[in-house]
Amino acid sequence: QKEVEQDPGPLSVPEGAIVSLNCTYSNSAFQYFMWYRQYSRKGPELLMYTYSSGNKEDGRFTAQVDKSSKYISLFIRDSQPSDSATYLCAMIITGGGNKLTFGTGTQLKVEL
Amino acid sequence: ETGVTQTPRHLVMGMTNKKSLKCEQHLGHNAMYWYKQSAKKPLELMFVYNFKEQTENNSVPSRFSPECPNSSHLFLHLHTLQPEDSALYLCASSHPLASGANVLTFGAGSRLTVL
Repeated sequence: QKEVEQDPGPLSVPEGAIVSLNCTYSNSAFQYFMWYRQYSRKGPELLMYTYSSGNKEDGRFTAQVDKSSKYISLFIRDSQPSDSATYLCAMIITGGGNKLTFGTGTQLKVEL
Repeated sequence: ETGVTQTPRHLVMGMTNKKSLKCEQHLGHNAMYWYKQSAKKPLELMFVYNFKEQTENNSVPSRFSPECPNSSHLFLHLHTLQPEDSALYLCASSHPLASGANVLTFGAGSRLTVL
């Protein structure tokens, strides 16, 4: 079993849709949960991070963590074509070398 | 220049060639990383350097040889590679959050093709 599972997609949605991107994980010691966005021919860039369970909102983006279910989500409201990218979830066990464990990434395409 | 810069952006090499990838960061970070990104696979951590000292070698084959002459520069020397080494090689640098967790800033990557 992989430590972090993420559906690679591709996921195609119409402009304006609400997008839900998800990851599940197996190690309950993960404490920080991050979402990176990677445009084609670019490196990943940090979008948001959350600590432990709960929600965090930043503009059209909401990150949600449910540690009891070992499940994290990224919601994108009013999706735009510029949101088309690959979204990678990543997690850290702090104090354990602080190494990031990544999911495979979900490719998202927002169509006009 | 700002951020993390990687050169070359694209590299094609034969299995007997020797080449190097270069990474430079202008963020004042103390940690630098090499990751391998292959299609449909999670990012694979290869090497970590903290204050120029290698602190992580994730069982990487010796045909990949890292070098970190200072906190701003990182190299990946390549020799006698295999076709399965074809991938996007990402460099990153990091700063710690107050908790100690690291936030990575990535370069655009070097796309390597081994013939």
